[in-house]
Order: sequence, then C-alpha cells, then structure tokens
Amino acid sequence: EIMMTQSPATLSVSPGERATLSCRASQSVGNDLAWYQQKPGQAPRLLVYGASTRASGIPARFSGSGSGTEFTLTISSLQSEDLAVYYCQQYVTWPPAWTFGLGTKVEIK
Amino acid sequence: QVQLQESGPGLVRPSQTLSLTCSVSGGSVSSASFFWNWIRQPAGGGLEWIGRVYSGGITYYNPSLKSRPTISVDTSKNQFSLRLTSVTAADTAIYYCAGQTIVVVNNAFDIWGQGTVVRVSS
Repeated sequence: EIMMTQSPATLSVSPGERATLSCRASQSVGNDLAWYQQKPGQAPRLLVYGASTRASGIPARFSGSGSGTEFTLTISSLQSEDLAVYYCQQYVTWPPAWTFGLGTKVEIK
Repeated sequence: QVQLQESGPGLVRPSQTLSLTCSVSGGSVSSASFFWNWIRQPAGGGLEWIGRVYSGGITYYNPSLKSRPTISVDTSKNQFSLRLTSVTAADTAIYYCAGQTIVVVNNAFDIWGQGTVVRVSS
C-alpha cells in the first residue's frame, strides 16, 4: 500500500497570505495525484488532478505542483471561505488500491 | 450535471450486513463515461476508498477490506449499491458515493454525494 503523508497537520494563515500544503508518497506516483477540499459538514470537493490541473470551476488561487513523491498545494491568497481540511490522494496503483493522506486543516488566523 | 444521493439505514447491528444505495441523476449509471465508487470516512478521520464498479459490472475493491464489500449496478433504477458484510464498530463512518468522469479526471473523484452516516451498534 502506498502511504500518503501530509504536513503540517494544521496550518494557520492570515487572510490574503499564501498557504503551502505538502504531500509525500511512500513511493513514486508519477503525476497521479489529486487534491480535495472538505469544508465542515460537507463532502470533499476535487480541486486538482494530475498533480497540477485545476478541476472545473476551481479558482485560480489554488495551484498544485510536484511529481514522483513530493507534491504541493498552494493557495496564493487565502480567503475566509478556504477554511477546510485538504486531502491528497494517489491513484497510480493498479489494480486499484487508492489511498488518501490524513489531511491538513487550514485555519484562518 | 450528474448528481449523487446516498440512502440506507443509519444503524446496523454488529455482524450484520450494511446496505446502501446511490441514486444517480442528471446522467445514466450505465454510461461508459463514468466509474462509480464508494468511499467512507470515520468521524473526525480520513478517507478510505472501498471499491468501484463500471457499467459493465466490472468491480474492484480495496484489498484491506478482504471479501466483505460488494458493489453492483441497477440500470433499471439508475442506481448503484454497496453491501458490506460482517460489520463491526470499526465500520461506523460517513459513507459517500463518488463518481469518476473517466476522460476528464482519470481516477480522481470529481462527483460526490452528500454522504450518509452509518453507525454499527447493538
């Protein structure tokens, strides 16, 4: 099983500042990496797939980068509505044994 | 726009079988454009992929769940379902149905239901 490790567990950022979230895979996943946002009481929402492609309707302030084992989600200018837990997910394994990280909680400072 | 809605009992007895249904609207469950999945999340915890079904009935499951889950499609009702046998308290979670638009997002999950809470307790 590919383990996904996210850091930090909690990130406190002031509105308008940049937030940088990290995700590390226990072995290479190429570019088969997605990021999700989960607001309190809601289902997750796809933000980024293919490590760097924004999903439909996602604001440009969200960007993904990285490949192999190291990935980053950047929120360029944090908005109050970005309060959420962010998860990374690998989907390289076949047959499927897709796994998620434990999440990074983004708080508004 | 495809939308998903889960339904099923909120309480299941230990050792019994959990059964949930996901209703698909705005699209067809038999479409070749989508894969259909179940994902769960324990309270305050992370996400765990349970399994996937394709319209042709081909299924894949998380190896960690052994042979407990079964996912199937009912094209007459435009639904897909999850059965999970021999449940224990560890199966208590929010259960989400989720879709993958194959040619767009590969194996990421771009369509989600709102989730349904299932508690395993006697």
